[in-house]
This record gives sequence, structure tokens and C-alpha cells, in this order.
Amino acid sequence: GQNIDQPTEMTATEGAIVQINCTYQTSGFNGLFWYQQHAGEAPTFLSYNVLDGLEEKGRFSSFLSRSKGYSYLLLKELQMKDSASYLCARRAGGYNKLIFGAGTRLAVHP
Amino acid sequence: SAVISQKPSRDICQRGTSLTIQCQVDSQVTMMFWYRQQPGQSLTLIATANQGSEATYESGFVIDKFPISRPNLTFSTLTVSNMSPEDSSIYLCSVGFGETQYFGPGTRLLVL
Repeated sequence: GQNIDQPTEMTATEGAIVQINCTYQTSGFNGLFWYQQHAGEAPTFLSYNVLDGLEEKGRFSSFLSRSKGYSYLLLKELQMKDSASYLCARRAGGYNKLIFGAGTRLAVHP
Repeated sequence: SAVISQKPSRDICQRGTSLTIQCQVDSQVTMMFWYRQQPGQSLTLIATANQGSEATYESGFVIDKFPISRPNLTFSTLTVSNMSPEDSSIYLCSVGFGETQYFGPGTRLLVL
């Protein structure tokens, strides 16, 4: 997906913590988004980072390093309902156009 | 946030025909977008629907195949023209709202 890389699949255990990494092309960068998408449903907005550092929102946190072209989504206290695809996307330029990675399919097991 | 609805939610069409997908938003938004998500893949931007002017298409997408209308700040349509089985996909409307972008529920299209 246009130089956005994230792992294809991950598995984790219920109650555990999982970190999903995303690297992206830094040129024209103007914000990094994470979306959750359950099978057969539309993507749901999780987080937006434009400055370096960690943004925490309940069980989900997102981190950004602009100089490294790197972000991660951290999911704590995993629940079975967290089994979904997680899409990393960057905003291109001063414009709301989003470029998506291929997504990471997370499977949470009991 | 914005509430986004799409019609139809799904359809099965014959090759060579055309389908128009509608997107309605519950508030006025400047930016509206159309994405495609092919089976097992991520989202690809088709075009930006501009109110009062022609849509802006991404590389690989053309107006003759995907004509778009944007008559006002709450509504847009995407037409998939002269369909082939390769057009089988989910088509998603999206709006820019503040710093964030939200997605409609999608239209699942199967072309036979």
C-alpha cells in the first residue's frame, strides 16, 4: 500500500497486550491514523497522531515517531471482540486523502 | 463525528450494467471521498468528490468508469459503469470531519 508496511497477521491471548507496528514513507507526511475493521464491516476510527509521542485512549494507545516513519498501536487487556483487522493509514500532504496499508489481521484466542 | 449512510448496502449485478451508489451525511462536510476495498485487501482511494466541480481521481481510476456527483455538502453518488466481475468489491464513502476521516457502512457489489 504505497510504502506503508505492517504485519499481515498476528495472534494473541485474551487478557494480554499486543503491539501492531506500522512503518511509512515520510515524504509528504501529515498525520497517521489507525482504524479497526471487523469482517464484513466498515473501518472504525481508533486514533490519529500528528505529533511524536504516545496517545492513550482507554485500552488502545497509539505511538508516533515522525523522524523514523514509525507508528504502533498498542492494545491492552485483549478481548475476543478485538479480533479484527487493524489498518494503518497516513494522510498525504495538507489534504484529507488517506493512503492505507494492507492491514494486520489480529486473532485473539482464549 | 458524522453519521454516514449508503444505499444500496449490497447488490448483485450483471456484467455490462451500471450501478449508482448513494452516500448521505447527516451534516455538511467539505471533504467526501470514495474508496474501494477488493476482497481480502485494504482500502484504495478512487476519488475525492468536490462540491460544485468535477471529482479528483486517483491514478488508475477514470471518470468514464466511475462518474461521481456531489450536488451539495451532504450528498454524493458514485456510479460503477459497464461493470465486469473485477469490479466486485466493497465501495465505501468517507467524509473528512475535523482532523479525522469517517467511513460509511459500505456497499457490497458482486458482478456476475
